[in-house]
Amino acid sequence: AQSVAQPEDQVNVAEGNPLTVKCTYSVSGNPYLFWYVQYPNRGLQFLLKYITGDNLVKGSYGFEAEFNKSQTSFHLKKPSALVSDSALYFCAVRDPRTGFQKLVFGTGTRLLVSP
Amino acid sequence: EADIYQTPRYLVIGTGKKITLECSQTMGHDKMYWYQQDPGMELHLIHYSYGVNSTEKGDLSSESTVSRIRTEHFPLTLESARPSHTSQYLCASSESPRLGYEQYFGPGTRLTVT
Repeated sequence: AQSVAQPEDQVNVAEGNPLTVKCTYSVSGNPYLFWYVQYPNRGLQFLLKYITGDNLVKGSYGFEAEFNKSQTSFHLKKPSALVSDSALYFCAVRDPRTGFQKLVFGTGTRLLVSP
Repeated sequence: EADIYQTPRYLVIGTGKKITLECSQTMGHDKMYWYQQDPGMELHLIHYSYGVNSTEKGDLSSESTVSRIRTEHFPLTLESARPSHTSQYLCASSESPRLGYEQYFGPGTRLTVT
C-alpha cells in the first residue's frame, strides 16, 4: 500500500532564512510525488510534482523539492522564506501502477514564517 | 487558480436537514473527487468519479452520496445531516490521460451541523 509521512506538525523559520518541509513516502514502484499548499479558508493549490527525470523539481512561488530514491524522501525547500509562505503544506504520493489516479496525502505541516 | 468552484463556501444547518454541496469545473476533466478534511488537517477521500455515470466510494466511509450526470458537475448530498458531518469538504478534478495527474482543488465548503 502507498503511504506518505510528514514527520513535523509545524516548522518555524525566520523570514529570509531557508526552509525545508519534510516528506517521506512508501510505494512499491516508482512514485509520482506532489506538493500542495493550503492557505486559510482555501482549497489546496498545486505547487510541484516529480514524475521522472531530474531529481530536483522547481515549482511555483520559488519552491523546489528534491526526490531522493534511496531515502524515499521528497522534501520541499525554498532558499529564502517569506512571511506570506505561512500556510499548510501537504505532500502526496501516487502509485502509477494503480488503475486510478488516487492520491494519498500526508497529514500536513504547518509552516510559520516570522518577520 | 484552477477553474473549479464550490458552493456554498460556508453552511450552518440543523440536524436532520438534507443538504447538497455543489462542485463544478470548467476544465473538461474526466475525473473528480470529494475529500473530507478533519479539523486536524488530514484529508480523506470519500468519493470519486471516472466520468459521467461513474461514481465510487473512497477510503473513508461516508454517509453522503454523489452523482455525475454531467462532466462538469459532481454534487455531494447528505440526506440527513448530523453533527458528526461537521467538516470541510473539498472537491477536486484531474485531467486524463495527462501524465502526472495532479488534482486541482476547489475552495472548499465548510459545513457546520448544529
